Amino acid sequence: DAKTTQPPSMDCAEGRAANLPCNHSTISGNEYVYWYRQIHSQGPQYIIHGLKNNETNEMASLIITEDRKSSTLILPHATLRDTAVYYCIVRVVNNYGQNFVFGPGTRLSVLP
Amino acid sequence: KAGVTQTPRYLIKTRGQQVTLSCSPISGHRSVSWYQQTPGQGLQFLFEYFSETQRNKGNFPGRFSGRQFSNSRSEMNVSTLELGDSALYLCASSLEGGVGQPQHFGDGTRLSIL
Repeated sequence: DAKTTQPPSMDCAEGRAANLPCNHSTISGNEYVYWYRQIHSQGPQYIIHGLKNNETNEMASLIITEDRKSSTLILPHATLRDTAVYYCIVRVVNNYGQNFVFGPGTRLSVLP
Repeated sequence: KAGVTQTPRYLIKTRGQQVTLSCSPISGHRSVSWYQQTPGQGLQFLFEYFSETQRNKGNFPGRFSGRQFSNSRSEMNVSTLELGDSALYLCASSLEGGVGQPQHFGDGTRLSIL
């Protein structure tokens, strides 16, 4: 099963770009990288996902290294509302099917 | 488009009771997954339903069960409640649960066991 490693916490100044790293050195060729975030007392919110190519949407950009062993989530202009726990997830495929395995994530604090 | 709806939002039960939680997925989504979130264990996968069949399951005791109806709505049941079952229970839906399809989560049901 592919697993991910993220720093436990990070700070970012409001208005600056937040770059959240994730290592997934055992990822398989057909496994996607997903990013979610969770604000206290709410369910996880989907941000973005990718397989090999870099991806961008209205919330963030996802940069995946060529060997696919790591990725970075970029929030281009962080606001106070981006303070949350960010989860980097690689979908796990087992005998029954597939499911998300959440690690402890990175607690991002956006500072005024 | 309405998101994933979970009811109730809060629930208080006592040990030994049973509880049923409900989840309405995003319209058109046929895969529904359930997760348990606790401060100590984080987010843990319970099971996934697709077309009224349990397709995938996590490592939880048989006291935790679920079902899915023909309209894709799902229920989760926990019998003989224990103190350790106090948690936030999250439901997530996706189109068909495929590898490239994101899951979208509801805001959960917070279950407290006294």
